[in-house]
Amino acid sequence: KQEVTQIPAALSVPEGENLVLNCSFTDSAIYNLQWFRQDPGKGLTSLLLIQSSQREQTSGRLNASLDKSSGRSTLYIAASQPGDSATYLCAVPDRGSTLGRLYFGRGTQLTVWP
Amino acid sequence: NAGVTQTPKFQVLKTGQSMTLQCAQDMNHNSMYWYRQDPGMGLRLIYYSASEGTTDKGEVPNGYNVSRLNKREFSLRLESAAPSQTSVYFCASSGGLTGLEAFFGQGTRLTVV
Repeated sequence: KQEVTQIPAALSVPEGENLVLNCSFTDSAIYNLQWFRQDPGKGLTSLLLIQSSQREQTSGRLNASLDKSSGRSTLYIAASQPGDSATYLCAVPDRGSTLGRLYFGRGTQLTVWP
Repeated sequence: NAGVTQTPKFQVLKTGQSMTLQCAQDMNHNSMYWYRQDPGMGLRLIYYSASEGTTDKGEVPNGYNVSRLNKREFSLRLESAAPSQTSVYFCASSGGLTGLEAFFGQGTRLTVV
């Protein structure tokens, strides 16, 4: 079973800062890793999906990297804005599985203040 | 473009009552899932369905049953609700070009008193 850890658990920064959120997982035999955003009282919104054959994936101000051999992924947020305030979750599937059943970290709660 | 739709959004049950949470997706995905989210525990898989006609247990299946009614719909039933089932429940589906990216519904906040 995968164990997924996210560091830090909470982060509070002023607007404009560049941020790095960290995710580590115990079993490197994965096909992909997915980053989500969750706003309070809402569902999860998919941000980025990185395939195991990729090292990076970018969407706007977000950049996610994946290093399977070390069991780590980072989510980089450039020029943070108050609207980025949310909880960010990473998730990985079972070893060698192409199914979508996922194991989640506890998340990083991000607050960006003006 | 509805994605994954769950009903109801909120529900209060008394201990011992039963209810069914409904989920439907319009993305033609093969796989569907039910998760629960609890403070301090994160998201945990209850049941999943890899394809129409199949269902499998996840990490925390006790006290729940599921039905994959067709490719679009996947329901979760609580036969006799207990306070330990107070949680936020999320339905998800995965598929698309790679079959891997998961999409989530908005959640059902369930309180059992």
